[in-house]
Amino acid sequence: RKEVEQDPGPFNVPEGATVAFNCTYSNSASQSFFWYRQDCRKEPKLLMSVYSSGNEDGRFTAQLNRASQYISLLIRDSKLSDSATYLCVVNRGSYIPTFGRGTSLIVHP
Amino acid sequence: GAGVSQSPSNKVTEKGKDVELRCDPISGHTALYWYRQSLGQGLEFLIYFQGNSAPDKSGLPSDRFSAERTGGSVSTLTIQRTQQEDSAVYLCASSPGQAGERGYTFGSGTRLTVV
Repeated sequence: RKEVEQDPGPFNVPEGATVAFNCTYSNSASQSFFWYRQDCRKEPKLLMSVYSSGNEDGRFTAQLNRASQYISLLIRDSKLSDSATYLCVVNRGSYIPTFGRGTSLIVHP
Repeated sequence: GAGVSQSPSNKVTEKGKDVELRCDPISGHTALYWYRQSLGQGLEFLIYFQGNSAPDKSGLPSDRFSAERTGGSVSTLTIQRTQQEDSAVYLCASSPGQAGERGYTFGSGTRLTVV
């Protein structure tokens, strides 16, 4: 089993839709979690950290389920500008973060 | 500087030549990471520096790859005798000692093409 797994997609949704991605991780000792966004031919940029209690930033909500070892990202009211690849990042305390291969999102008019 | 700076942004080299890629992390960030990303692929960890500790080189794909970090700041990734499979975007990231909620900040990368 890969350390961090994501559905590569693409998720193709209309503007205004709600879309959710999951990311599973294999190491139960994982301690910190992030979602990154990567636009085509650009570097990854931090979207949000993921806290145990769940957290929200505008249209974006992140959740952590330690029992089932997955994190999720929910995007409400999708915008065309949300089209990108979303990377899940897990750090198991060794301070070397592991990146998932990403989920591609395409928002169309 | 305000962000992570990488140079050059693009590098085309002939097979068999050596290349040096530079990363200047955010001032005060003690942790520095090198990743590479091939077209359409995920990020592959290469090497990690934390302060003055010995680097974690567990991700380096062969002994042709090496990296150093001088004075706890600027890092140089060197690839000797480049091969076509080395073609990729090489990304550098830095973070405070523990990433916490601030995560990792990436530079814009060096796109290496070996011809």
